[in-house]
Amino acid sequence: EPEVTQTPSHQVTQMGQEVILRCVPISNHLYFYWYRQILGQKVEFLVSFYNNEISEKSEIFDDQFSVERPDGSNFTLKIRSTKLEDSAMYFCASSLNSGEKLFFGSGTQLSVL
Amino acid sequence: GNSVTQMEGPVTLSEEAFLTINCTYTATGYPSLFWYVQYPGEGLQLLLKATKADDKGSNKGFEATYRKETTSFHLEKGSVQVSDSAVYFCALTKNRDDKIIFGKGTRLHILP
Repeated sequence: EPEVTQTPSHQVTQMGQEVILRCVPISNHLYFYWYRQILGQKVEFLVSFYNNEISEKSEIFDDQFSVERPDGSNFTLKIRSTKLEDSAMYFCASSLNSGEKLFFGSGTQLSVL
Repeated sequence: GNSVTQMEGPVTLSEEAFLTINCTYTATGYPSLFWYVQYPGEGLQLLLKATKADDKGSNKGFEATYRKETTSFHLEKGSVQVSDSAVYFCALTKNRDDKIIFGKGTRLHILP
């Protein structure tokens, strides 16, 4: 079965540094998402992306966050200046159509020190 | 707003035991309800879903029934296996174009 691939699996960074989390969605999918889960808390929606633009974003997704689909295969999440509270597991997901089954990657564990 | 509440884990059971993981939701109207599972080292996978009241979703021996009167979608399995050890997430969407809202997840350990 096709799968969503995320790299790296673990990322450690210093507070204030920029990080880029990478995802390769399933090739024919059109809708892309980022979610995150802070340890012990709910999986939270961050942003959805369709047709090369953000279609919805949550309150968490402030000016420090951005997403990009630079080359038609990768889908990246950038955090411009990381804070301690950005430490979480970040999940990328994709779907063929809106509202249909989401396929998730295995996540990137981000630790901000 | 819309939300999902599921039982705290971890849940530890012996192989062949009966499993229930409780999930209740808060939403206006008629959301679609889901259970996702995350096996160690893997991404979240859709386990089952139900899109209207009294629907029963089922897959791999797991079942959940959409109960509008109790706003619940409890996950059950009659006889668990060691391979069922994973984290289980209850979730909902309000409509086709809406984002998925997840619960905190319940970690399940099955002992041989």
